[in-house]
Amino acid sequence: QVTLRESGPALVKPTQTLTLTCTFSGFSLSTSGMCVIWIRQTPGKALEWLARIDWDEDKYYNTSLQTRLTISKDTSKNQVVLTMTNMDPVDTATYYCARIGGAARREYYYDYWGQGILVTVSS
Amino acid sequence: EVVMTQSPATLSVSPGERVTLSCRASQSVSSKLAWHQQKPGQAPRLLIYSVSTRPTGIPARFSGSGSGTEFTLTINSLQSEDFAVYYCQQYYNWPHTLGQGTEVEIK
Repeated sequence: QVTLRESGPALVKPTQTLTLTCTFSGFSLSTSGMCVIWIRQTPGKALEWLARIDWDEDKYYNTSLQTRLTISKDTSKNQVVLTMTNMDPVDTATYYCARIGGAARREYYYDYWGQGILVTVSS
Repeated sequence: EVVMTQSPATLSVSPGERVTLSCRASQSVSSKLAWHQQKPGQAPRLLIYSVSTRPTGIPARFSGSGSGTEFTLTINSLQSEDFAVYYCQQYYNWPHTLGQGTEVEIK
């Protein structure tokens, strides 16, 4: 059974750095074709992808945010960590991690999602 | 990047009705199209991939069709648990973009 769970602070102050952890089970990020992606959902409900890390260490970032984002993985702990610097109130959103399980077949749909974590940016 | 446009933004329907949601891509995405369902207060879940394939556990009343730039999600005989927001996602071109969603609400 595949599960993903996001953890991190619910509240951060403007200019601070946000660190989110996605802890997953039911698969290994060292298995060919596995990827984890971070997506956020603003209060207006739009979904915006942020960053992706693949089984082979390839990393991809949203070009509009890439100077602020870093994604990494700890395969032994089954975790993916996302950091976002210089947080602003407009970054207030629910942050999700999701799995892409079919990258080896070029099937990049998100097949499992975490429950999400609401992060509010406010002083 | 490929822009995914969903219509309408909101659909007001009665239980038991048939619902058709549309998703248009700004350029061809071949058959690399998925649909996700998000119920209130819940995370999204995968509903359909490769245009028309349902993952295990997704009811047969959900069906998808289309190719290239025009896609449709159909829900036959809408159930109370189907009132939700539906998002399309293309995964043909990186970045793999999502639409803005269609909310299916109770009439």
